[in-house]
Amino acid sequence: AQTVTQSQPEMSVQEAETVTLSCTYDTSENNYYLFWYKQPPSRQMILVIRQEAYKQQNATENRFSVNFQKAAKSFSLKISDSQLGDTAMYFCASGHGGSQGNLIFGKGTKLSVKP
Amino acid sequence: DAMVIQNPRYQVTQFGKPVTLSCSQTLNHNVMYWYQQKSSQAPKLLFHYYDKDFNNEADTPDNFQSRRPNTSFCFLDIRSPGLGDAAMYLCATSSTRGNEQYFGPGTRLTVT
Repeated sequence: AQTVTQSQPEMSVQEAETVTLSCTYDTSENNYYLFWYKQPPSRQMILVIRQEAYKQQNATENRFSVNFQKAAKSFSLKISDSQLGDTAMYFCASGHGGSQGNLIFGKGTKLSVKP
Repeated sequence: DAMVIQNPRYQVTQFGKPVTLSCSQTLNHNVMYWYQQKSSQAPKLLFHYYDKDFNNEADTPDNFQSRRPNTSFCFLDIRSPGLGDAAMYLCATSSTRGNEQYFGPGTRLTVT
């Protein structure tokens, strides 16, 4: 069975600094996807970044980048130049195709960006 | 813009009174999902439709049902809401299973 573990329930960072959120996963699939989702307080869940497992190159989206270590089954999210609007719950998730291929979410990390 | 829409955004119902939540999408995605999310927790998948094929999670209570009359719409029916069913209900879509999901804004359900 797939599992996703986020070991940091809460984190805080000063505005303009860099923060890294940890995620580890376990899967027996060869082809799978990894995601980071952001859910601001009382707001919609949105996709931050997506990584396909077969791609060695780490995905980046503006200030957001991942460190994908396939052998270690690690998928951390780095947020550079943190902004107040980055305050949110961040969920790591994995998924694969097939009849049971739904997303498996971690428990989330609550990130607070402080002015 | 293509999107996932949920109505209503807030719903108050009485204990035991049936309630229906709705979701529509303009993304033309094959897969639609319903999640239950309680405060500061990860979303919990209730069921999903792959096209017309309904897939129930093993631990989803029988109290929860779903309908998908066409590609665009999906409904969540709670037949006899209990106090423990108060939560945010999220609808999501994806083009294929296991791939990125697009979430609606959610419906916050209160049970009195």
